[in-house]
Amino acid sequence: AQSVTQPDIHITVSEGASLELRCNYSYGATPYLFWYVQSPGQGLQLLLKYFSGDTLVQGIKGFEAEFKRSQSSFNLRKPSVHWSDAAEYFCAFNFGNEKLTFGTGTRLTIIP
Amino acid sequence: DADVTQTPRNRITKTGKRIMLECSQTKGHDRMYWYRQDPGLGLRLIYYSFDVKDINKGEISDGYSVSRQAQAKFSLSLESAIPNQTALYFCATSASGWDQPQHFGDGTRLSIL
Repeated sequence: AQSVTQPDIHITVSEGASLELRCNYSYGATPYLFWYVQSPGQGLQLLLKYFSGDTLVQGIKGFEAEFKRSQSSFNLRKPSVHWSDAAEYFCAFNFGNEKLTFGTGTRLTIIP
Repeated sequence: DADVTQTPRNRITKTGKRIMLECSQTKGHDRMYWYRQDPGLGLRLIYYSFDVKDINKGEISDGYSVSRQAQAKFSLSLESAIPNQTALYFCATSASGWDQPQHFGDGTRLSIL
């Protein structure tokens, strides 16, 4: 069965530190891959997406993600976080049916 | 103005009441979706529509119904609300194609007492 896993429910990072949020999937082929961010009281905003080509993709707000087929992973990274990055982050996959399957989300807290 | 607008933004109601949540979009997209978000569960798909004449159940459609009144409008109804339908509800739209991202409204926070 197809599934998406975000193993970290909550991560706390110091402002200025680097960040990596993990996301794994289970599927027999390469899905279409997305990362979204949800700020408090708001809907989800697309950060980046990957379908093919260069496995390192750049997104908005200084985020990037790397697709690793061998590990079935699509981890989100940022070299230096800002207090405004505090939010909940969701990876989502399209397994070829124009529907998104979401992970359960990772809540990011930034400490000064 | 927002591209995907949900009304109301907040609603408190009682068990057994009929409730309608509305979604309208100005993006010209064919695809529209309704999700509910619960803490620790992420977003789960309730219903989706690929065009005005196409309605499909998602993974958690029981207790819900939808209506696609026009390309730009997709409403979600709870015929007889129950407390475990208390959640944050999102509408989303996308253009056709597997590589198209979904665009989300700001959500409706629904509380059923």
